[in-house]
Amino acid sequence: DIQMTQSPSSLSASVGDRVTITCRASQNVNNYLNWYQQKPGKAPKVLIYAASSLQSGVPSRFSGSGSGTDFTLTISSLQPEDFATYYCQQSYSTLRTFGGGTKVEIK
Amino acid sequence: EVQLVESGGGLIQPGGSLRLSCAASGLTVSSNYMSWVRQAPGKGLEWVSVIYSLGTTYYADSVKGRFTISRDNSKNTLYLQMNTLRAEDTAVYYCASELPPPRAFFHYWGQGTLVTVSS
Repeated sequence: DIQMTQSPSSLSASVGDRVTITCRASQNVNNYLNWYQQKPGKAPKVLIYAASSLQSGVPSRFSGSGSGTDFTLTISSLQPEDFATYYCQQSYSTLRTFGGGTKVEIK
Repeated sequence: EVQLVESGGGLIQPGGSLRLSCAASGLTVSSNYMSWVRQAPGKGLEWVSVIYSLGTTYYADSVKGRFTISRDNSKNTLYLQMNTLRAEDTAVYYCASELPPPRAFFHYWGQGTLVTVSS
């Protein structure tokens, strides 16, 4: 199975901060890498698909980059509604896998 | 509007069996890649199983041989038969539809159903 490693596992940031979350795959996943946001008690919601494509309706402050094994999710200016947990997920292998998650908390 | 509604969760003893259902509306289960994803309390997301439109199925190693994914096209419903349940299977179980490549992301999700495995 392809292992997905996210870092950091949690971070504290202030409104307006630039936030970067990284995700590393244990083997090449090409650009089959998605990012999700999850709020407590809710199902995840996709933000970025295919490593860098912004899902319709998602604010442009979210962006993704990377290819192969190393990927990044960036929030350019953190907003109050962005405090949540973020997960990467690979869809290269038939056995899909998620990263462990990054909890973004208010500083 | 697409809706996925899971049901069938509950409290079950270790070693027991449970069948989860995911009733779909606004989406045809048989035409989509349909997955189960679970989340243990306070933990991250774990993909469990997928059934492709042609009927091919795949499972995470943690459930292979114990869980079976299936669908009833006439009822437009996805199922997860869970046997030989363990405490570590305790989780909220979500059904989700996945777009085919090249987008290949989980597009629609249900609200989840909680399975608790405990004596």
